Amino acid sequence: SAVISQKPSRDICQRGTSLTIQCQVDSQVTMMFWYRQQPGQSLTLIATANQGSEATYESGFVIDKFPISRPNLTFSTLTVSNMSPEDSSIYLCSVGEGGPVEQYFGPGTRLTVT
Amino acid sequence: AQSVTQLGSHVSVSEGALVLLRCNYSSSVPPYLFWYVQYPNQGLQLLLKYTSAATLVKGINGFEAEFKKSETSFHLTKPSAHMSDAAEYFCAVSGPGGGKLIFGQGTELSVKP
Repeated sequence: SAVISQKPSRDICQRGTSLTIQCQVDSQVTMMFWYRQQPGQSLTLIATANQGSEATYESGFVIDKFPISRPNLTFSTLTVSNMSPEDSSIYLCSVGEGGPVEQYFGPGTRLTVT
Repeated sequence: AQSVTQLGSHVSVSEGALVLLRCNYSSSVPPYLFWYVQYPNQGLQLLLKYTSAATLVKGINGFEAEFKKSETSFHLTKPSAHMSDAAEYFCAVSGPGGGKLIFGQGTELSVKP
């Protein structure tokens, strides 16, 4: 399976600021996903990021708040904009590979907003 | 629409005892089903998957799960719990062709010595 890394692994940010999270994969993958895991909760898909097309956002998530870039087949970024304490979560990227598509997850970025 | 329900947010077993984590799904199309494990402060690791082939699926670390269409269930089992199995377990469903995963609420497994 693909090896996925995320930067930063954790951060503490002030409200009103933005943070960009990077996701790097050691092989080329078509499908990349960004999930949010709020404290003590399950995972919720934020958006699907396929190279060469605009990201597809799930209900409740908007591009202005969570802009995503996917410049190539091994890299993606998620920005959490104008942060509030409610954005404190773990953000995980995943990649899809194999058929049917299995997803493999990065280690996550633990974000705390004060 | 698809959904997943995990029965029991916390399960505690003794070391060496049977592990049974329950997952029921709802799907209007033939589902693909997955179990993931999350150790503290780590990402998710795929334990096993059901992809419409064999209904009894074997995964890593001695875990297995059985797909029962009539019961819309995909329960995870392990014959003998080990201390290292203590973690959060998530059941997830996706539609044909994969893509978006819909997760259950998770079950925290504790293993007592």
